[in-house]
Amino acid sequence: GENVEQHPSTLSVQEGDSAVIKCTYSDSASNYFPWYKQELGKGPQLIIDIRSNVGEKKDQRIAVTLNKTAKHFSLHITETQPEDSAVYFCAAHPFSGGYNKLIFGAGTRLAVHP
Amino acid sequence: NAGVTQTPKFQVLKTGQSMTLQCAQDMNHEYMSWYRQDPGMGLRLIHYSVGAGITDQGEVPNGYNVSRSTTEDFPLRLLSAAPSQTSVYFCASNLQGGDYEQYFGPGTRLTVT
Repeated sequence: GENVEQHPSTLSVQEGDSAVIKCTYSDSASNYFPWYKQELGKGPQLIIDIRSNVGEKKDQRIAVTLNKTAKHFSLHITETQPEDSAVYFCAAHPFSGGYNKLIFGAGTRLAVHP
Repeated sequence: NAGVTQTPKFQVLKTGQSMTLQCAQDMNHEYMSWYRQDPGMGLRLIHYSVGAGITDQGEVPNGYNVSRSTTEDFPLRLLSAAPSQTSVYFCASNLQGGDYEQYFGPGTRLTVT
C-alpha cells in the first residue's frame, strides 16, 4: 500500500526566512497531495493541495511542487512569520486504496523565531 | 455552521471499559472519517463512511466499531479499551472523496490506564 515519508521532523527558522518540507510517496497511482497545518490543541486544517496533473501551485506565501517521476512533493513557505509555527502534515491519496483514504506523513514541527 | 464537533474533549478509561466517541457535522457532507494521531506517526485512518449506512475499514480498524445511521453523525466505539488505544482521535468530513478537502474536528484525547 501507499507509504508517505516526511522530512525533516523538526525545523527551526528565523522570522523572514524560507522553510521547505519534503515528502516522498510510494504509490505511483496516487493522484492528490494535500498539506495540512495543525496548531496546538486543534485539528488539522488544509492549507494547500495539488493534483497529479499539476507540477506547482502557489497561494500567497505558500507553494507546493510535485515531481511525479521522483515521487516527491514539497511545501515551501516564504517570508515566515511566528504564526506559521505549527505542525505540518503532507498526505497522499492512493488511487486504488479506497475511496476516502488519505495516507499521512509523520509531520514536521516548524518553529519560527522572531 | 459549527463544522465538525467532537465530544468529549478528554476521556480516561480503564482497560476493558467501552465507550463511544461522538462526531457530528452540519455541512451535509457525505464522507466522514476517524483518525488516530500518535507521536511520530502522523494521522492514521481507522474507519470511514461514504454515506449513511455505508462504512469501510481504514489502516488500523482493529478494536473499533463504527456505524452511520444519519448523514450528520459518525460515532466511534471502543469495544474493550486497551492501553494501545491511548491516542488523540480526530473525526473529519468531506464533501466528496478522499481527494477533496477534509474538515477536521478539534479532537478527543483518550487515555487508557
